Amino acid sequence: ELKVEQNPLFLSMQEGKNYTIYCNYSTTSDRLYWYRQDPGKSLESLFVLLSNGAVKQEGRLMASLDTKARLSTLHITAAVHDLSATYFCAVVLGNAGNMLTFGGGTRLMVKP
Amino acid sequence: NAGVMQNPRHLVRRRGQEARLRCSPMKGHSHVYWYRQLPEEGLKFMVYLQKENIIDESGMPKERFSAEFPKEGPSILRIQQVVRGDSAAYFCASSPSPSAEGQYYEQYFGPGTRLTVT
Repeated sequence: ELKVEQNPLFLSMQEGKNYTIYCNYSTTSDRLYWYRQDPGKSLESLFVLLSNGAVKQEGRLMASLDTKARLSTLHITAAVHDLSATYFCAVVLGNAGNMLTFGGGTRLMVKP
Repeated sequence: NAGVMQNPRHLVRRRGQEARLRCSPMKGHSHVYWYRQLPEEGLKFMVYLQKENIIDESGMPKERFSAEFPKEGPSILRIQQVVRGDSAAYFCASSPSPSAEGQYYEQYFGPGTRLTVT
C-alpha cells in the first residue's frame, strides 16, 4: 500500500524567511504533484515532477524530486503572507492508473 | 472552456437521508475521479470512472456508497442513509483519456461539495 507522509504538518513562519516542506512516499511512483489549497477552496496544481532530479520553480516556490530516496521537497524562499495556505503532495502509484494518493498536508501560516 | 463543475456546493442532510453529489467534467474529458477530504486531512481516493464504466472503486466504502458516470449527463456520487461520519468535502476531478500506454494527463479538480450530516 502506498503511503505518503508530509512534514511538518503545521508551519508558522515570518515573512522573508526560507523553509522547506518534505514529502516522503513508500513505493516507486511514476510522478509526484504539489497542490495548494486555500481554506474552503479546491486544489490548485503547482507542480508535477516526473523524473529523478526534476526541479521546478515558480515565483518563491521550488519543488524537487529524488526518486531514489522517495522524497520530494517544496522550498519556500522569502515567504510572503499570500503564500499562507495548505500544501499537499500527491503521488501516483506506477500500476494504479491515474489515482492520486495524497499526503496529510502542511498548513503554512506566514506572519507579516 | 468551463472547468470541472460540481453541485451542489453545500449540502445538508439529516442522518438516514440520501445525498447525491454531481460532477460535470471539463469538456473533452472522459475520466472522472472522486476524492473525499475529512476535516484537517488530505484527500482520499474513492472511485475512478469512465463513461458507463467503473475503472477502480478500491477506495469506496463497501456499503451505502455508489458512483456512476452515464453516457449522458454528469457523474453522480450517491450516499445512502448518511451518518455523521460522512460529513466531509467531496471533490471530483477529471482528465482526458490517455491516448497511449504510459501517457498521462493531469487531473483538474472541481470546487467540491461540502456535505454536512446533522
